[in-house]
Amino acid sequence: GQNIDQPTEMTATEGAIVQINCTYQTSGFNGLFWYQQHAGEAPTFLSYNVLDGLEEKGRFSSFLSRSKGYIYLLLKELQMKDSASYLCAVRDNYGQNFVFGPGTRLSVLP
Amino acid sequence: DSGVTQTPKHLITATGQRVTLRCSPRSGDLSVYWYQQSLDQGLQFLIQYYNGEERAKGNILERFSAQQFPDLHSELNLSSLELGDSALYFCASSVGTLETEAFFGQGTRLTVV
Repeated sequence: GQNIDQPTEMTATEGAIVQINCTYQTSGFNGLFWYQQHAGEAPTFLSYNVLDGLEEKGRFSSFLSRSKGYIYLLLKELQMKDSASYLCAVRDNYGQNFVFGPGTRLSVLP
Repeated sequence: DSGVTQTPKHLITATGQRVTLRCSPRSGDLSVYWYQQSLDQGLQFLIQYYNGEERAKGNILERFSAQQFPDLHSELNLSSLELGDSALYFCASSVGTLETEAFFGQGTRLTVV
């Protein structure tokens, strides 16, 4: 079966660093994605990992460990506009299905 | 503005009815993806088309079908609607076949009463 787990809510302070974890158990693995979704808006793509290691894009980094079925999204120098839901998603081994986690709602406080 | 256009923005219909949602991808994009987002199920991938052909399929119900036309726009058909089909339906498009390049439309909010 497919199971993706991430914390429901997180709170952090402006200027701080926050790490959002995601664990997955899927029938195969062909890439993991992070999306950001502000309330009432469409998701936007943040990052993609298919090999173990760290991918960095500005203030956002994502790390994957396939052996542990574990990935995290790291947000640095938090800004108020980073308050949003963050969804991880896994594409399965045959590239046929794309499964989203429940999302983590991040609140950035002043 | 992502360049992906979805119509209509809102739709209210009764149980048992059939509706068609439309998506126009960004110019030059060959892939179209459909997603459903509801409060209880979260965001779910439904189906992907690439250049007119079905490319990948998620947990799409048999009552739902989609197609991509020669001009690359896509339609999602939902039939025998149930209250639980009430959701936000997103379309996304990308040049290639990978979601890393995908941009989302603003969604169609479907309410089944």
